[in-house]
Amino acid sequence: TQLLEQSPQFLSIQEGENLTVYCNSSSVFSSLQWYRQEPGEGPVLLVTVVTGGEVKKLKRLTFQFGDARKDSSLHITAAQPGDTGLYLCAPTPSGGGADGLTFGKGTHLIIQP
Amino acid sequence: SAVISQKPSRDICQRGTSLTIQCQVDSQVTMMFWYRQQPGQSLTLIATANQGSEATYESGFVIDKFPISRPNLTFSTLTVSNMSPEDSSIYLCSVPRRLPSGVNNEQFFGPGTRLTVL
Repeated sequence: TQLLEQSPQFLSIQEGENLTVYCNSSSVFSSLQWYRQEPGEGPVLLVTVVTGGEVKKLKRLTFQFGDARKDSSLHITAAQPGDTGLYLCAPTPSGGGADGLTFGKGTHLIIQP
Repeated sequence: SAVISQKPSRDICQRGTSLTIQCQVDSQVTMMFWYRQQPGQSLTLIATANQGSEATYESGFVIDKFPISRPNLTFSTLTVSNMSPEDSSIYLCSVPRRLPSGVNNEQFFGPGTRLTVL
């Protein structure tokens, strides 16, 4: 089992601030996914990062995959209350979809208006 | 994308009873997955439900406690048996979908069933 450590566990900041959350492991991943879960809903895929050093942007969210493919970060610029949620990382399922996800413990993010 | 519904959306149950949770998908899928999310925690995979065969359980989860049915390609049930307060969690089902890249998959999740055991 590939263990993913996410930090910080909890983060509460004011609207308009910037933040970075991390997903780290001692294992190498072929690719890694970030999901966001809003209250009362299931997680939703934000991005898949595949190449070491890759940077992907999704509006105000910037995802980076480490050069060694062992870690990833999510940076949010000018956070908004709508960014509130549980951010989860997981190795991308392999086996043609035959594998479930092994999530990290997640980062609980609260953006206060 | 897939549309996934779960029933019930929430329930409050007495200890020692059992609850069956339903998961309905709007298209045929080979694999369905069941997860547990304990209060304030991340999601943990319970089992993989493959239509036409026995479910495969992750370490720490057993069929006697969490029996699963998979009668067809669009439907699955998870039963939480002989419940105790420690079973109070959100239970979610998911299905895989191939991403446009054609290489990787994503998981589509249902909205979850919030279970409280008294």
